[in-house]
Amino acid sequence: KNQVEQSPQSLIILEGKNCTLQCNYTVSPFSNLRWYKQDTGRGPVSLTIMTFSENTKSNGRYTATLDADTKQSSLHITASQLSDSASYICVVSAGNNRLAFGKGNQVVVIP
Amino acid sequence: GAVVSQHPSWVICKSGTSVKIECRSLDFQATTMFWYRQFPKQSLMLMATSNEGSKATYEQGVEKDKFLINHASLTLSTLTVTSAHPEDSSFYICSARGTGTSIVGTQYFGPGTRLTVL
Repeated sequence: KNQVEQSPQSLIILEGKNCTLQCNYTVSPFSNLRWYKQDTGRGPVSLTIMTFSENTKSNGRYTATLDADTKQSSLHITASQLSDSASYICVVSAGNNRLAFGKGNQVVVIP
Repeated sequence: GAVVSQHPSWVICKSGTSVKIECRSLDFQATTMFWYRQFPKQSLMLMATSNEGSKATYEQGVEKDKFLINHASLTLSTLTVTSAHPEDSSFYICSARGTGTSIVGTQYFGPGTRLTVL
């Protein structure tokens, strides 16, 4: 069964600090991996996408890494801002266009 | 580009009534649209996949007679929750996939619709 596990489930960080979110997956065959940001009561918004051959991708203060051998990905948030408070969802695409969603990492940034 | 809208953004209805949610692709033609349901602190769960002009394909456990999906045009899909019950209260999100994208699994998500059934 294709699964995506994210950790930690939730975390609280001080404004200006960095944090790293983890995603482990068992999806096969693997096509690509995306990180989305979902604000409360809103739809997911794409942050990064990585294919098998890519091991890092940045989007502003967000940097995603991918280790396709160990089937792990991380999302690093640098110099967090209050607006970074959201759920970050790891989504893995199998070769058949189906998406496997993680439950998300709930991030709360406090001043 | 690739904007998907949903209407309404939130709706409250009485138990037993029907509710229609619209999903529109604003600047591209969506050959395939997806409907998801998300409960609090849970991941998005795919309910059904619809291709323009054909019947929707429902995921196991999703009642097709309760969740009616119509994808009549390349820019509009609707989800009708019939005879809604309180357990249908959830966050419904649509996504759309157009032609021309070479990246597997690319879907553009709408902002979601919060349904509360009293």
